[in-house]
Amino acid sequence: AQSVTQPDIHITVSEGASLELRCNYSYGATPYLFWYVQSPGQGLQLLLKYFSGDTLVQGIKGFEAEFKRSQSSFNLRKPSVHWSDAAEYFCAVGARGYNKLIFGAGTRLAVHP
Amino acid sequence: DVKVTQSSRYLVKRTGEKVFLECVQDMDHENMFWYRQDPGLGLRLIYFSYDVKMKEKGDIPEGYSVSREKKERFSLILESASTNQTSMYLCASSLRSQPQHFGDGTRLSIL
Repeated sequence: AQSVTQPDIHITVSEGASLELRCNYSYGATPYLFWYVQSPGQGLQLLLKYFSGDTLVQGIKGFEAEFKRSQSSFNLRKPSVHWSDAAEYFCAVGARGYNKLIFGAGTRLAVHP
Repeated sequence: DVKVTQSSRYLVKRTGEKVFLECVQDMDHENMFWYRQDPGLGLRLIYFSYDVKMKEKGDIPEGYSVSREKKERFSLILESASTNQTSMYLCASSLRSQPQHFGDGTRLSIL
């Protein structure tokens, strides 16, 4: 069955520290992969996407993610976290065409000053 | 920028009422989606539409229906609202094979 797992429900980091959010997927075909961020009371904003090509993708707000096919992973990273990065982060996998997405349960990030 | 607008940010209805949630997008996107978001469960797809008057069930369609009479508008209908439909509802749209763009959500409470 197709699924997305985000193993960490909550993560707390200090401002300026590095960040890695984990995402593992189960998908039969070559997937499209996405990371979205949701600030409180808001909808989801696209951080970055992987469709094909270079497995290290750059996104907005200084985020990057690396697609590792052998590990079925698409982990999100940021070298130095800012207080404004506190939000909930969702990993998603989708198919070509209709782009129907399957979402992980989300990781809530807290940032200490 | 793509704009996906949901008609209400907050909505309170009573059990048994027929409830309409409206979503409008301004970028001529073929695909439109309705999700519900619950803590610990992420987003779950209720219905999606890939063209006017076309719809397909998502993972949790029970108790819901949809309508897409115009390309820019996608409506979610709760035929007879129940308390277990209290949730955050998110609408999204996309071009074929492109990322989805989301509205700000409607927080619906059924009393």
